[in-house]
Amino acid sequence: EAGVAQSPRYKIIEKRQSVAFWCNPISGHATLYWYQQILGQGPKLLIQFQNNGVVDDSQLPKDRFSAERLKGVDSTLKIQPAKLEDSAVYLCASSLRRVSSYNEQFFGPGTRLTVL
Amino acid sequence: EDKVVQSPLSLVVHEGDTVTLNCSYEVTNFRSLLWYKQEKKAPTFLFMLTSSGIEKKSGRLSSILDKKELFSILNITATQTGDSAVYLCAVGPYSGGGADGLTFGKGTHLIIQP
Repeated sequence: EAGVAQSPRYKIIEKRQSVAFWCNPISGHATLYWYQQILGQGPKLLIQFQNNGVVDDSQLPKDRFSAERLKGVDSTLKIQPAKLEDSAVYLCASSLRRVSSYNEQFFGPGTRLTVL
Repeated sequence: EDKVVQSPLSLVVHEGDTVTLNCSYEVTNFRSLLWYKQEKKAPTFLFMLTSSGIEKKSGRLSSILDKKELFSILNITATQTGDSAVYLCAVGPYSGGGADGLTFGKGTHLIIQP
């Protein structure tokens, strides 16, 4: 079974520039998550999709961050404009979400963003 | 606000030692507690615990959950240099089909010296 795919793996930009990350979840996984992991911290949830609908975006800084999952499969996360404090690893995860049980989330390799 | 606290934050031991990593939590509508191993890349899943007092085991790793005292421990016996990693503890809420994003602790950075 192929895992969660993310690209690019690394990105370096200057502050106030824009950047976009892409995620392709495990086939058949209806739920997709974006997490932000700042150096020395655990991942923090930014947004959760169920199919192509947003379930939770309460921790997404909506003045600069946006995300979409138009066809219920791939997702993109965008930052516009970037700030220095956005330097982090952006992790995408997916989950099967069977109704009767809580499913573990499978993580992609992440995109390491450096904002100069 | 949901909170997960891991201790210690870092730990250095010698190969062959046994280590115990701690995770305490405060979360509304607790559903499960998960342990992940992170080695400079994506967190990889180790265990999910939902019931109190039942030990999960995989090789040299084991974990147990105490829902009354709100904590979990991860044990690693006969440690090897390949066990060096950051170990993340996360809790997930009961969602009823809704939001169920994980709340993570800061992790324990474990270094195994040969």
